[in-house]
Amino acid sequence: KAGVTQTPRYLIKTRGQQVTLSCSPISGHRSVSWYQQTPGQGLQFLFEYFSETQRNKGNFPGRFSGRQFSNSRSEMNVSTLELGDSALYLCASSLGLWPLNTEAFFGQGTRLTVV
Amino acid sequence: AQSVAQPEDQVNVAEGNPLTVKCTYSVSGNPYLFWYVQYPNRGLQFLLKYITGDNLVKGSYGFEAEFNKSQTSFHLKKPSALVSDSALYFCAVGDFNKFYFGSGTKLNVKP
Repeated sequence: KAGVTQTPRYLIKTRGQQVTLSCSPISGHRSVSWYQQTPGQGLQFLFEYFSETQRNKGNFPGRFSGRQFSNSRSEMNVSTLELGDSALYLCASSLGLWPLNTEAFFGQGTRLTVV
Repeated sequence: AQSVAQPEDQVNVAEGNPLTVKCTYSVSGNPYLFWYVQYPNRGLQFLLKYITGDNLVKGSYGFEAEFNKSQTSFHLKKPSALVSDSALYFCAVGDFNKFYFGSGTKLNVKP
């Protein structure tokens, strides 16, 4: 079956702009999580959605937001981009039945560069 | 608060030798521990997990990990390293679909 698909794979934006990233989870998975990966901060949790509801949120400013649609696809949005937002953004999908099913499957990520 | 620590930024090992990548954890409640691997320009791939049961967990590609409650450790091991094992390895603690990752350990396996 198809894995987690993230689009686009690469993105270059200018400071002050906004950006939307997309994630299509594995068919049947209802939980989608987002992570930011940078050399300095490592992998940091952004937020998690389950059945269109945000269940968990990491320690990021309000410029970072997300949503999940009824087909479980998710988008994350970053407004007023800063140079420090340059990162690899990873999406993970899982069945969401914690702790019965705990395995998360990651997409290849979207590489965002802010100039 | 949940957290994991990977004390080594890099581990170097010769092909054919055993390898260990270290991880210690700090959790409140039951620990749900994971190892993921990341190859260049790729997402994370699941290797193995400890939820409950046997302290020795076997995973993908010949990797295994030993859960040690008294030492709060969850070290990743492999009896015989391959050059193709060279990658970035992350230990993580999971908490309701939210993962707290360690800083990562770069494994270099030399021929």
